[in-house]
Amino acid sequence: GAGVSQSPRYKVAKRGQDVALRCDPISGHVSLFWYQQALGQGPEFLTYFQNEAQLDKSGLPSDRFFAERPEGSVSTLKIQRTQQEDSAVYLCASSFARGAFNEQFFGPGTRLTVL
Amino acid sequence: SQQGEEDPQALSIQEGENATMNCSYKTSINNLQWYRQNSGRGLVHLILIRSNEREKHSGRLRVTLDTSKKSSSLLITASRAADTASYFCATDARGRQAGTALIFGKGTTLSVSS
Repeated sequence: GAGVSQSPRYKVAKRGQDVALRCDPISGHVSLFWYQQALGQGPEFLTYFQNEAQLDKSGLPSDRFFAERPEGSVSTLKIQRTQQEDSAVYLCASSFARGAFNEQFFGPGTRLTVL
Repeated sequence: SQQGEEDPQALSIQEGENATMNCSYKTSINNLQWYRQNSGRGLVHLILIRSNEREKHSGRLRVTLDTSKKSSSLLITASRAADTASYFCATDARGRQAGTALIFGKGTTLSVSS
C-alpha cells in the first residue's frame, strides 16, 4: 500500500508569500503529526491531530503557522507571510494508534526555501 | 527544544565493523524509538523500546535502555555501506498532553565505507 505522501516536494517562496503544504497520511491512520527539520538538526514537533481534532499545536512557532485536517484524512500546513527563518524541511507523519506511543510513518517531506 | 542528545555526532567505520550510537534524554518517558534518515529522504522507523524493557533486538540492530541513567544505545552489527545515514533517537516525554509528540535528538551521522 501507499505510504505517507507530501506535496509539493520542493517549494521556493519569496519572503512575505503564503504557502500551503499538503500531507496524505496512510489510509486509516488516526494520528497525524507535522514536524519541522532545519538543516543538520533533528525534526521538531509542530502539531498533532487525532482524526480531525487538533489536540496539540504547542510546537507551532508563531501565529503565521496554521494546520488543519478537516475530514480526518488529508492535512494542510499553511504558513502566512513567510520569513527566511521558515526555510526548512516540513515532515508529516501518521500513526495507526492515538498519540506518540507507537511507530510513526514519515513522508518524504517538503523542502521550503524562502528567499 | 530537543530532548535527546546523540553521541557521537559523526561516526565513520569500515564495512563489517560494528557501529554504536548513544542517546541521552532529560525527562521520564513511555518509550524510546530509533529512526534512520537517508540523505534527502524521510525518516524510517527502526525499533521501539518501552520504558519497562532493557534490551531489544531486530535483525542486526540491538537497542538498550537504561532509564536510571536516561540513556539508550543503538548497536548495528556487521555494518554495510547501505547503513550510511543519520540516526535519531526519539522519545515521547511523559506529562506531555496525551503523548502527542515525538521529541528527537540532533542525530548521529554514520558513514560506512567499503
